[in-house]
Amino acid sequence: DIQMTQSPSSLSASVGDRVTIACRPSQSIGTNLNWYQQKPGKAPKLLIYAASSLQSGVPSRFSGSTSGTDFTLTISTLQPEDFATYYCQQSYSTPYTFGQGTKLEIK
Amino acid sequence: QVQLVQSGAEVKKPGSSVKVSCKTSGVTFSTNAISWVRQAPAQGLEWMGAIVPIFHKSKNAQKFEGRLTITADESTSTAYMDLKSLTSDDTAVYFCAREGAGGNFVHWGQGTLVTVSS
Repeated sequence: DIQMTQSPSSLSASVGDRVTIACRPSQSIGTNLNWYQQKPGKAPKLLIYAASSLQSGVPSRFSGSTSGTDFTLTISTLQPEDFATYYCQQSYSTPYTFGQGTKLEIK
Repeated sequence: QVQLVQSGAEVKKPGSSVKVSCKTSGVTFSTNAISWVRQAPAQGLEWMGAIVPIFHKSKNAQKFEGRLTITADESTSTAYMDLKSLTSDDTAVYFCAREGAGGNFVHWGQGTLVTVSS
């Protein structure tokens, strides 16, 4: 199975900050990497697919990028509604696997 | 609009089985895989398995082999997740999710809480 390592596991930030979350797979997955946002009691919401493509309806302050085999989710200017938990997911091969999550909290 | 509506919460005894349904509407059911993803309390997301309804072919994560059966009824656009030999470790919210072209999950069910307790 492909292991997905996210960092940090938690992050405190303020409205207006720029934040980045990293995700590293245990093996090469091409660009088969997706990012989700999850709020308490809700299903995850797809933000970014194929490493850098913005899902329809998602604000443009969210972006995804690749550097070598590592992946990054960036939120350019934090808004109050962005405080949530974020997960990466590889869709290169089954079993699909998720990172352990990054909880973004208000500073 | 696309909707995946799951069955309600369940409380089960250890050793028993649970079957959760996921009814799809607003989108073609048969051609895209439906996955099941679970989330234990305060934990992350875990992919369990998936089915492509038109092929009636499912694939499970090895962890669940022998315990998990995923089926689909094209006549009602409903997918099912059947997990047997439950233990307290199976207490979780179970989500169904419709798979997109690249293996991502755009559409999700609302989640079904399964509690395993004696």
